[in-house]
Amino acid sequence: QQQVKQSPQSLIVQKGGISIINCAYENTAFDYFPWYQQFPGKGPALLIAIRPDVSEKKEGRFTISFNKSAKQFSLHIMDSQPGDSATYFCAASRRSIQGGSEKLVFGKGTKLTVNP
Amino acid sequence: GAVVSQHPSWVICKSGTSVKIECRSLDFQATTMFWYRQFPKQSLMLMATSNEGSKATYEQGVEKDKFLINHASLTLSTLTVTSAHPEDSSFYICSATKIATSGSSLLFEQYFGPGTRLTVT
Repeated sequence: QQQVKQSPQSLIVQKGGISIINCAYENTAFDYFPWYQQFPGKGPALLIAIRPDVSEKKEGRFTISFNKSAKQFSLHIMDSQPGDSATYFCAASRRSIQGGSEKLVFGKGTKLTVNP
Repeated sequence: GAVVSQHPSWVICKSGTSVKIECRSLDFQATTMFWYRQFPKQSLMLMATSNEGSKATYEQGVEKDKFLINHASLTLSTLTVTSAHPEDSSFYICSATKIATSGSSLLFEQYFGPGTRLTVT
């Protein structure tokens, strides 16, 4: 119930291509779905996030697609660049009873390599 | 955005000593901070949730007497690894929750620090 399953584990894309990373969740109480980008030796950086009342959110080259009925969400990176090479984590959380947010449940990560 | 700092960025200590890691939210107040541990090529493992002014909530399997957490103010949380051993060597990362608005909804966004590399010899 608390798991977030992320795929693929690794992804190789050519420069200019589209990178697609998928996540699936079980807990229907989740109401916040962020994506993080992490470079080696650094902390994760919040990339983009979505709530279930929206089916798509776009910020620059990054787009989240959300399918509530299928309990799936995905990250699309358009015009992928070598600088996008990093590990990407999807996550999910839900509103706590106290009104704040509960802990994030993370996927296992996807290592993206964009070849020049 | 929001900036979270950690200090030190790396530390080497001898087995049996204690190490303190600081996590600060620099441009926002965070009622909740989280401490994670990350092994190479793995996802983040939540260690504990820290709320300002109250005791931390530890995840199952995390020794609270070994990993002491203090959330002294709305911008500072510290993690002290007591009596460190080589198996405690890891990458420790904190995060802080910033409340943002999206239309009529509240978002509880987690911003991460740069991490602290701990090596116990």
